[in-house]
Amino acid sequence: DAGVTQSPTHLIKTRGQQVTLRCSPKSGHDTVSWYQQALGQGPQFIFQYYEEEERQRGNFPDRFSGHQFPNYSSELNVNALLLGDSALYLCASSSNRGDTEAFFGQGTRLTVV
Amino acid sequence: SQQGEEDPQALSIQEGENATMNCSYKTSINNLQWYRQNSGRGLVHLILIRSNEREKHSGRLRVTLDTSKKSSSLLITASRAADTASYFCATDRSGSEKLVFGKGTKLTVNP
Repeated sequence: DAGVTQSPTHLIKTRGQQVTLRCSPKSGHDTVSWYQQALGQGPQFIFQYYEEEERQRGNFPDRFSGHQFPNYSSELNVNALLLGDSALYLCASSSNRGDTEAFFGQGTRLTVV
Repeated sequence: SQQGEEDPQALSIQEGENATMNCSYKTSINNLQWYRQNSGRGLVHLILIRSNEREKHSGRLRVTLDTSKKSSSLLITASRAADTASYFCATDRSGSEKLVFGKGTKLTVNP
């Protein structure tokens, strides 16, 4: 069981560019959530995908968008990058059975310069 | 705003001692989960405690939940240098799909 895998592990982008981050959930999980973690802070919820649809969204602008594929993997896209988007982006997978643990990947460290 | 608030923000102990971290939250929850994070890497799931549970154990970890006080504690017994990490609590509210995290407690275990 590979657990939750994210790619890439590190990324450097220029302000104004676009970025795509990828996540494969843990085997048996069908729900993927994305979180942004700024330095010294706890993770902040961006959105959650289930059955290829965005089920809930946090307080993030429309520049942040996502997608879930039929195999449950997911992408996070950020357009028009700002310096403030520099953070660790974490993907979490869980089961839609409810009231279950969420398992996180190792994250993608995004630096915007 | 963050739902969970961990206390203390930082804790430094000697190897072999016990470490206690606390978490307070604001609204009713379905469950509360504790995570560990090493040096800005991914979050490692430690334990989940449901709102109808009061105490749970896993190895050297003991978690308590007091829903009347909206608080939880994580006790790590016989700490090791490898326990050095940041610890976060995350709450799961009814009707919401998201986990809400606090800012974490940074634990340092000195050898």
